[in-house]
Amino acid sequence: EPEVTQTPSHQVTQMGQEVILRCVPISNHLYFYWYRQILGQKVEFLVSFYNNEISEKSEIFDDQFSVERPDGSNFTLKIRSTKLEDSAMYFCASSEQGIGYEQYFGPGTRLTVT
Amino acid sequence: KQEVTQIPAALSVPEGENLVLNCSFTDSAIYNLQWFRQDPGKGLTSLLLIQSSQREQTSGRLNASLDKSSGRSTLYIAASQPGDSATYLCAGNTDKLIFGTGTRLQVFP
Repeated sequence: EPEVTQTPSHQVTQMGQEVILRCVPISNHLYFYWYRQILGQKVEFLVSFYNNEISEKSEIFDDQFSVERPDGSNFTLKIRSTKLEDSAMYFCASSEQGIGYEQYFGPGTRLTVT
Repeated sequence: KQEVTQIPAALSVPEGENLVLNCSFTDSAIYNLQWFRQDPGKGLTSLLLIQSSQREQTSGRLNASLDKSSGRSTLYIAASQPGDSATYLCAGNTDKLIFGTGTRLQVFP
């Protein structure tokens, strides 16, 4: 069964460093998402992406964040200068179409900023 | 602004019990509602999706219902097993998923 994959599973970085989290969505899906979950808190929406551009972003998704689909399979989330409060589990999701369609989640990348 | 609430926050039951997890949402203009399972430190496994036009969905021992007018959904788990122990999340889909805080379920033998 097709699934969303994410790498790395765990990333440790120092404050101020840039990190890139990678996702491979399900191959025939057209909509891609990033969510994050700070330990002990709700899963929060960050950004949605369709047709090579951002569809919607939350107030969390400030200028330090960017997303890209560099080729036909990968979808990346970049944090330019990490802060301690960026420590969280980051989930990638994809859906076949947009609104109303089921979103399938990857296993997540645990980001630890020291 | 959509707010999703889940009660109870935690639940501990003996094996074999039938149980109900509750989810409420403030904005009835959702396209669908998804229920997820999350094991500790792990990702999100989609359990059921109910479209806004549907009243319920079933998958094995799981049954989810949706009442848009009252802003409520329930997840019914029949004949609970220790392997059901996990956190259960509901999420309302407007143009993105808005998650509740989850119900942490423990089923003991």
